[in-house]
Amino acid sequence: EVQLVESGGGLVQPGGSLRLSCAASGFTFSTYAMTWVRQAPGKGLEWVSSIIHSGGRTSDADSVKGRFTISRDNSKSTLFLQMNSLRAEDSAIYYCVKERQWPGDLDFWGHGTLVTVSS
Amino acid sequence: DIQMTQSPSSLSASVGDRVTLTCRASQDIRNFLAWFQQIPGKAPKSLIYAATSLQSGVPSRFSGSGSGTDFSLTISSLQPEDFATYYCQQYYAYPLTFGGGTKVEIK
Repeated sequence: EVQLVESGGGLVQPGGSLRLSCAASGFTFSTYAMTWVRQAPGKGLEWVSSIIHSGGRTSDADSVKGRFTISRDNSKSTLFLQMNSLRAEDSAIYYCVKERQWPGDLDFWGHGTLVTVSS
Repeated sequence: DIQMTQSPSSLSASVGDRVTLTCRASQDIRNFLAWFQQIPGKAPKSLIYAATSLQSGVPSRFSGSGSGTDFSLTISSLQPEDFATYYCQQYYAYPLTFGGGTKVEIK
């Protein structure tokens, strides 16, 4: 059974940093691209960042480019999102998503982790 | 960026009704279109990919159609567990983009 378990969310002040993790199991993590999607409270879905299976290629939304970095550790079946220079508008639930095929064919979603940026 | 427009933004329907949700892309995306269901408080769930392919485990009352710029999701006989918000998403090009969602409510 595919499982994606996000962690690392919480309350952070504007300008601060957080590192999200997503522990994957139930599939061969190293052979699938992965994506982060976020959802602000009461709002729709917004793509954040994607990474191919090897980690050698990434793509980021303009809204986070230069501030967020997606990475992965295939030896530990874990996806990361390093978030720096956080803003109030980054407040959202962040979902880790397994891709069926690169690019962008989203398959299975984790339960999400809540990030709140506030002073 | 490719804009995805869903209509209607919400609808009221009864159990057993046939409902059709539409999604329009701002440019040709061939069949690189997916549909997701989100129940309040839960993560989105994949229903349809490649415009018409049913995700494993999803009931056959769900079906997708369309190609190019115009797409639809049909629920042939609405069930109580289908009351949710539905999103379309294009994966023809980055940035990946989602429609604004259609909320299906109980009449």
